[in-house]
Amino acid sequence: DQQVKQNSPSLSVQEGRISILNCDYTNSMFDYFLWYKKYPAEGPTFLISISSIKDKNEDGRFTVFLNKSAKHLSLHIVPSQPGDSAVYFCAASAGDDKIIFGKGTRLHILP
Amino acid sequence: EADIYQTPRYLVIGTGKKITLECSQTMGHDKMYWYQQDPGMELHLIHYSYGVNSTEKGDLSSESTVSRIRTEHFPLTLESARPSHTSQYLCASAAGAYEQYFGPGTRLTVT
Repeated sequence: DQQVKQNSPSLSVQEGRISILNCDYTNSMFDYFLWYKKYPAEGPTFLISISSIKDKNEDGRFTVFLNKSAKHLSLHIVPSQPGDSAVYFCAASAGDDKIIFGKGTRLHILP
Repeated sequence: EADIYQTPRYLVIGTGKKITLECSQTMGHDKMYWYQQDPGMELHLIHYSYGVNSTEKGDLSSESTVSRIRTEHFPLTLESARPSHTSQYLCASAAGAYEQYFGPGTRLTVT
């Protein structure tokens, strides 16, 4: 049973607009959440994270929001740029040195 | 920024061959991980290590084995490759409990 779910396999967004990627989780023991970005034929690169004691973390164009009661987090990218086209993985950890990944959402930035 | 290397990047090999996928990191991280990922799917943890002489099996059953004789080196071995082993293999390392840094991956095809 998947503990981290990304229900949208793909998303297309116009360049300059906001991209919103969603993620749901089921395990209440998760206390840290991460987003990774992956280009084809490369390994995932760490993008941004958030601790369960916060509800928002911002880094430049990237903001992650956490709603613990809904067990939901989202990644906002604004403004979206062509280089943002990639697969985005949501991931979560219960502090046991392991990360559980979702299946990823492929983001296409349209010119 | 973590420096982590994987070789080979691509490998096509026949059934029954023994193969070793190499992973090295230069950051002195104690924790290292091997993941297996198929297109459109989540990353599955197959092996991890907390340090020299420490190896553990991950959440996904795998016929591969690993060793950790040096901090910087975490090779993965398949004694007898089969077509079902065709996948992308990703190595990662971490200093702390959460963020992991990934290598570029090895795409393995067993014919």
